[in-house]
Amino acid sequence: EDKVVQSPLSLVVHEGDTVTLNCSYEVTNFRSLLWYKQEKKAPTFLFMLTSSGIEKKSGRLSSILDKKELFSILNITATQTGDSAIYLCAVEAYVRDTGNQFYFGTGTSLTVIP
Amino acid sequence: KAGVTQTPRYLIKTRGQQVTLSCSPISGHRSVSWYQQTPGQGLQFLFEYFSETQRNKGNFPGRFSGRQFSNSRSEMNVSTLELGDSALYLCASSPSVGPRGDQYFGPGTRLLVL
Repeated sequence: EDKVVQSPLSLVVHEGDTVTLNCSYEVTNFRSLLWYKQEKKAPTFLFMLTSSGIEKKSGRLSSILDKKELFSILNITATQTGDSAIYLCAVEAYVRDTGNQFYFGTGTSLTVIP
Repeated sequence: KAGVTQTPRYLIKTRGQQVTLSCSPISGHRSVSWYQQTPGQGLQFLFEYFSETQRNKGNFPGRFSGRQFSNSRSEMNVSTLELGDSALYLCASSPSVGPRGDQYFGPGTRLLVL
């Protein structure tokens, strides 16, 4: 069965720390891997990765995908209290007869303490 | 540009009833996807509509159905409600089908089934 697993489930850090969030997956016919940030409302898009080894970067956030080892990491440097949120990893895969499927991990809850 | 809107925002129903949720995508977006989010299962993909046709479908029973109108607005219907259907239902819009890099989520409809 296709699945996406995120670790750790939760994380508490101090402002200025660097954190690494993990996402491993087992899907057939992989198409893309996406990272979202969810605060008290709907998820907001962070990154989409389709090719292995390419790093996506936006400010203090960066992400890389390893398609051979089937995992991705999301890195946040110099964390701020505004980074506190649940970070969701999702994998898009093609399933015959039903089309593209989106499998989400349960998320990593990040709390940044001042 | 207005974001994705969902109505109603909150809803209370009893077992056995049916419910219809509505989603208006961002202007110009033609793809609408629906998701269910619960504490236990996390975020799960329901289906995606594009140009009034269901293009992709998640692993949910037939009680969950949807449709899309010519103006891209979409509705989701759940018949014969069960207690386990209590969840936050999110819709997301994007300009076209394909990788979800440009998917924007609405605020969600929180459904409580008693």
